[in-house]
Amino acid sequence: SQQGEEDPQALSIQEGENATMNCSYKTSINNLQWYRQNSGRGLVHLILIRSNEREKHSGRLRVTLDTSKKSSSLLITASRAADTASYFCATEKTSGSRLTFGEGTQLTVNP
Amino acid sequence: GAVVSQHPSWVICKSGTSVKIECRSLDFQATTMFWYRQFPKQSLMLMATSNEGSKATYEQGVEKDKFLINHASLTLSTLTVTSAHPEDSSFYICSASPATGDAYEQYFGPGTRLTVT
Repeated sequence: SQQGEEDPQALSIQEGENATMNCSYKTSINNLQWYRQNSGRGLVHLILIRSNEREKHSGRLRVTLDTSKKSSSLLITASRAADTASYFCATEKTSGSRLTFGEGTQLTVNP
Repeated sequence: GAVVSQHPSWVICKSGTSVKIECRSLDFQATTMFWYRQFPKQSLMLMATSNEGSKATYEQGVEKDKFLINHASLTLSTLTVTSAHPEDSSFYICSASPATGDAYEQYFGPGTRLTVT
């Protein structure tokens, strides 16, 4: 079973708006990763945040990690229609071990 | 960046036949590869962890005799769905990690869509 839970399950916004997705997990982790999946395609790695990090930026992406609350958030700023996809968080308990995926958030950015 | 390929990208087979899916790391060596299954509008479920030169480790509920995994080299792992049935129709995705010792992202293949008729 998946240990990660994401909310919202679906998010629909207008182009230019910010999108925030949240992820919670249950056990201690080595790192947490966010992936994007376009419909019917493979996963694209977006960003990795280690357990000793609190915030990380990559372009229009900002990820936060709160290990005390066992939660993370992904913020996409100034969204574009091309950002429409499913976004998954995944946790890794130890480096090189299996990933446990959340249920995902389906983001729709309307032009 | 690290690239993982899968072949075929899609396959349609008849019930009762077997299908082999290949996963290759193109520009790095992967001692460990992972196989996932994804049903429509659902998340990825880990099926098994494939280790080069040894037997795969299957997740609870995954039949090892039905989903045969072979990790023949540091760049190739194969998943064979034996005696496929319509309920095996799914999107199969592999991933590979280029190194251990620190936190590394896994690189995913583009997936293989299997349809069993």
